[in-house]
Amino acid sequence: AQTVTQSQPEMSVQEAETVTLSCTYDTSESDYYLFWYKQPPSRQMILVIRQEAYKQQNATENRFSVNFQKAAKSFSLKISDSQLGDAAMYFCAYRSPRDNYGQNFVFGPGTRLSVLP
Amino acid sequence: EAQVTQNPRYLITVTGKKLTVTCSQNMNHEYMSWYRQDPGLGLRQIYYSMNVEVTDKGDVPEGYKVSRKEKRNFPLILESPSPNQTSLYFCASSFVPANSPLHFGNGTRLTVT
Repeated sequence: AQTVTQSQPEMSVQEAETVTLSCTYDTSESDYYLFWYKQPPSRQMILVIRQEAYKQQNATENRFSVNFQKAAKSFSLKISDSQLGDAAMYFCAYRSPRDNYGQNFVFGPGTRLSVLP
Repeated sequence: EAQVTQNPRYLITVTGKKLTVTCSQNMNHEYMSWYRQDPGLGLRQIYYSMNVEVTDKGDVPEGYKVSRKEKRNFPLILESPSPNQTSLYFCASSFVPANSPLHFGNGTRLTVT
């Protein structure tokens, strides 16, 4: 079964600075999908960014970008120009392309990001 | 508005009293799933459903039941809740293709005393 690891339980960043959240995963599949979700204090789960494993180009969404290293099974999230509203719990998630696979989505334990004014 | 509607938002109950958390989506998604979120453990899958009348166990199914009689609804049933089921629960849905992201409900904070 796939596993997702986020080795940083907590991180902090100064407003306007850049921070990188790490995520590694374990899989034997060659094709899969990776996601980052943000959970602010409202506890709503918000999709931040997604990456297809077959794409070499790193995904970017405004101030959010990823560094996808397929061989290393690493999927880090970079937040540029951090804002107070970026303070949240961030979850990395893996999705198998096999529809009948039991654990269709697998989540990491999360990284709590604080943004300091 | 496309959404996953989950109710109630907060629930306090006593050990052994059956309860149901409802979940409904209006996006015609085939895939629906329940997760529980506990500190340090992330989201763990309880049950999932690939379509109507098709359900299967996730990582932590013990003590829970689900049903999928209609495509839009996927209720979570706790027949005899226990304190170790105190948690934050999320319902989520998506299209089946794997590049489809999960859409989440707003969560249910359950406390079992």
